[in-house]
Parts: sequence; C-alpha cells; structure tokens
Amino acid sequence: EAQVTQNPRYLITVTGKKLTVTCSQNMNHEYMSWYRQDPGLGLRQIYYSMNVEVTDKGDVPEGYKVSRKEKRNFPLILESPSPNQTSLYFCASSPTPGQPQHFGDGTRLSIL
Amino acid sequence: AQKVTQAQTEISVVEKEDVTLDCVYETRDTTYYLFWYKQPPSGELVFLIRRNSFDEQNEISGRYSWNFQKSTSSFNFTITASQVVDSAVYFCVTYRMDSSYKLIFGSGTRLLVRP
Repeated sequence: EAQVTQNPRYLITVTGKKLTVTCSQNMNHEYMSWYRQDPGLGLRQIYYSMNVEVTDKGDVPEGYKVSRKEKRNFPLILESPSPNQTSLYFCASSPTPGQPQHFGDGTRLSIL
Repeated sequence: AQKVTQAQTEISVVEKEDVTLDCVYETRDTTYYLFWYKQPPSGELVFLIRRNSFDEQNEISGRYSWNFQKSTSSFNFTITASQVVDSAVYFCVTYRMDSSYKLIFGSGTRLLVRP
C-alpha cells in the first residue's frame, strides 16, 4: 500500500530536549516536505526536498532542521524545541511539487 | 508574493443545501498549479483536484464542481446537495512553477453540514 508514515503520532516533551520526527514514503517520490498546521493559519511549509541531499527552506524554517540521505526518508529535527513549536505536523511526498501530495497522518507535538 | 485567500473561515449549512467555498490567489506567474484538499474531522488530508494555469475548463465530479477564472484569480469549489460527510476543513493551495518549489496553502474554510 502506498503510504507516508510519520512517527511518533503524538509527543509531549519539554523545552530544549532535542527530538526527531521521522517520515518515510514507499512510493519512490522525489519531492518531500514538512508542514505545520496551526489554527487559523492553514498549513505552512517548513522545509522541502527535491531529491536526495537537496533540501531548501519553506516559509517557516526557523528552529527546524531536515536531512535527506535516502530517497524514502525525510526526518524533521527540532534541536532545541520551544513552546511556539507546539503544533500539528504533516509530512508529504509527491513525484514532483506540481503533483498531488500524499500526506502522512500527522504528528501532534506539545512542547511544555 | 504568492498568496492564497480563503475569506470564509467557517460556513454552516443544512444538509442538501448547495455551498460554494471561495479561493482567491495571487501570483504574477503565468504557469502555476491550483489544488483543493479536504481535511475531515479524522485529520487526514485528502486530495480533491488539481488545475494548471492553462486549463480554465470547469470540472465536475459527482456533487463537486470547480470554477477556475483567471480573470478574477479565483478557483471556487461548489458542493451540490451537501451531506453531513462533507463536513471538513477545505484548503485551497497554489504551486508556482519557478525555482522555489514551494506550496502555499490558504488558511482553510471549515464547512459544517447539519442534518
């Protein structure tokens, strides 16, 4: 089954404790991206990747890092999480950015 | 700057009513894509439609229809004979085919269909 898998689905943690949200897709897609969803703001793109070792900033990259060492994986790293990063996060993939995105089920992060 | 405006924050209708969700986009580019996604209460994001800037034909899919008008920079979505299962947040999205490779989401319209 074609899917984008994110882990964990839920996480409550404390300020400053590094965390990683994993994202994996099994569709051999080249384009992957991370979004955060906040009430009233829709989804905002954090980072995206056009292919292995090619990543770039979206509209809200501050406080986040990503890597793309393999085509299928695109982890989101919060080196020093802060409460303003409490949000619902989605990973997505598609063959190209102009094609429909396949979204993961979302990760709800709470930073205390 | 690229921008997508969904001015209707929330809409409430009674089942079987028709409802139109508005989307206005800003772009100076001639080549771009527009999308609609649905996010039901369960939280997943579901793709509904994609349109490219060269195709202004309206599209109908069952009870759903889309009206793309470049002259007004609008890509509106109509649900005919709404059903309770249509209750969701709907997002309009644009992708500009330049070197930025970014997708821009509108803030979403929450549709509540009451029985």
